Amino acid sequence: SQQGEEDPQALSIQEGENATMNCSYKTSINNLQWYRQNSGRGLVHLILIRSNEREKHSGRLRVTLDTSKKSSSLLITASRAADTASYFCATWETGANSKLTFGKGITLSVRP
Amino acid sequence: DTGVSQDPRHKITKRGQNVTFRCDPISEHNRLYWYRQTLGQGPEFLTYFQNEAQLEKSRLLSDRFSAERPKGSFSTLEIQRTEQGDSAMYLCASSPRDVSYEQYFGPGTRLTVT
Repeated sequence: SQQGEEDPQALSIQEGENATMNCSYKTSINNLQWYRQNSGRGLVHLILIRSNEREKHSGRLRVTLDTSKKSSSLLITASRAADTASYFCATWETGANSKLTFGKGITLSVRP
Repeated sequence: DTGVSQDPRHKITKRGQNVTFRCDPISEHNRLYWYRQTLGQGPEFLTYFQNEAQLEKSRLLSDRFSAERPKGSFSTLEIQRTEQGDSAMYLCASSPRDVSYEQYFGPGTRLTVT
């Protein structure tokens, strides 16, 4: 079963604009990760945030985590056409040691 | 290339046939995972290995599915008597034992059952 629920399901923006994607989850987690997937290809790890962290940056990416609301957001600043892809949040549950649980994903289209 | 590789990248088969996929993990990683991803969905966990031991299997993995990792290196996923509902992308990932949540994914094998 999939734990994460991303919002919105699809997002279309102009190049240069910021893109914000949200993820909600249901259980206690050890960490939350965001992945990118280009059409029909494998997943690329973008960023990981641990349950005791509130915000993390990596290049043009900023991720926040609110464990009280069981939610996370991913901000991509100054978007580029090459950012067009599907984005997934994935949780690693507390006490679990075997698998990532993914959401259904967000399709981001960046118009040049 | 030292990343995770999968073979074949695409497979088209007729319903009822058996198929086998291969995954070669990053060489120093001792954990290997299989996921299935259907269109418009995120990946769903199927099973994972630590070295050659298969430690967990999802309820998604019916009796027609079997996975092996005989020498703790590459792994195979076999689907017997394929059904149209098996059409999906099959993803493999590997991780080092101490940081098992840091998973590196292969490009996937896209299976189409006609």
